[in-house]
Amino acid sequence: DAGVTQSPTHLIKTRGQHVTLRCSPISGHKSVSWYQQVLGQGPQFIFQYYEKEERGRGNFPDRFSARQFPNYSSELNVNALLLGDSALYLCASSFGLVLGNEQFFGPGTRLTVL
Amino acid sequence: RKEVEQDPGPFNVPEGATVAFNCTYSNSASQSFFWYRQDCRKEPKLLMSVYSSGNEDGRFTAQLNRASQYISLLIRDSKLSDSATYLCVVNGQAGTALIFGKGTTLSVSS
Repeated sequence: DAGVTQSPTHLIKTRGQHVTLRCSPISGHKSVSWYQQVLGQGPQFIFQYYEKEERGRGNFPDRFSARQFPNYSSELNVNALLLGDSALYLCASSFGLVLGNEQFFGPGTRLTVL
Repeated sequence: RKEVEQDPGPFNVPEGATVAFNCTYSNSASQSFFWYRQDCRKEPKLLMSVYSSGNEDGRFTAQLNRASQYISLLIRDSKLSDSATYLCVVNGQAGTALIFGKGTTLSVSS
């Protein structure tokens, strides 16, 4: 079975642009979460979606938005990019929202903002 | 205070050494605890969940002290392949969202 897939793998943008990152969860998983990992830090929670509804939001500005589609895939959108948005963006999927459910991470999208 | 704090690294140890990582968390309502492993420029992968009674998986032992809000990971007989960053993780106030520590880097040398 395929694991979590993300696209693109790498992306270079300039300040002020917007970006869309995509994630496909493991087959059968209904929850998708997004994390941002800047160099030297642990991943930081951005959003969690379950059954197409937002179930959690981290401390990120409104420039960050996301959605989940009927097939449980998800998109993360970032508008008005800043240099500080340069990071590895990780998508994680899990079967449900039960505490203790393992979250499986995709390989990430490495975003560079110039 | 950060939600999850870990020992600052890096830890440089020889093969065969025993190494311990410590972690504290601030949210007393946290109910799920994990150690994740992250190799350089790769995604995090679950190493083990941490239970109140403590649990062991081969050379790895995890402990949880809820009263002190403290989590530990012990690695015995370190292997070169154990070289990685170890992330202490708890569930956040958003329920099942994960809150990660900064990570502690382990380098095992021959």
